[in-house]
Amino acid sequence: DAGVTQSPTHLIKTRGQQVTLRCSPKSGHDTVSWYQQALGQGPQFIFQYYEEEERQRGNFPDRFSGHQFPNYSSELNVNALLLGDSALYLCASSLWGSGYYEQYFGPGTRLTVT
Amino acid sequence: GDSVTQMEGPVTLSEEAFLTINCTYTATGYPSLFWYVQYPGEGLQLLLKATKADDKGSNKGFEATYRKETTSFHLEKGSVQVSDSAVYFCALSDGNSGGSNYKLTFGKGTLLTVNP
Repeated sequence: DAGVTQSPTHLIKTRGQQVTLRCSPKSGHDTVSWYQQALGQGPQFIFQYYEEEERQRGNFPDRFSGHQFPNYSSELNVNALLLGDSALYLCASSLWGSGYYEQYFGPGTRLTVT
Repeated sequence: GDSVTQMEGPVTLSEEAFLTINCTYTATGYPSLFWYVQYPGEGLQLLLKATKADDKGSNKGFEATYRKETTSFHLEKGSVQVSDSAVYFCALSDGNSGGSNYKLTFGKGTLLTVNP
């Protein structure tokens, strides 16, 4: 049973560039959430997708956008990168309507902005 | 809004010592509570959970009890091992929302190092 997978593993970008991160949920899951984990901090919720729609959003600017595909996989896009966007980006999947909430996390994508 | 406050680290223990990592929370509804563990270079793994007051979550010798009266969910282990060295995160999900649109709110994490 494949768990949550993310690509790429590492990424280096320059300020002002744009980046796309990808996530495939655990088999049987239909909901994807994205989190940003800055160095030495806990993960912070960016947004959540279900049925190809953004369902909930954290306190992140519009430069952060996402998409969910019919096969439940998801992308996170960040435009006009800032140095402060350097972080580990975590994807988590779950099953909508499964009762109490439990998310399964991928290994993350380490983004470095120079 | 919701928040989680964790004991500041780092915590350094000798093997077989007793571990406590304190966690308190603020939430408007009836949250579920979680402990996640992050090993070096890896993503988060769910360690244990509790979904209502007085529930005790347990896994791999770790346990935590959901205390609504003190809004706490402290993590304990009676005898730590070198392999327990990792960062531990306390988290909550808001129980007020319907369906599965529960976001997780995390504490800042506590680095645990266990020496042989």
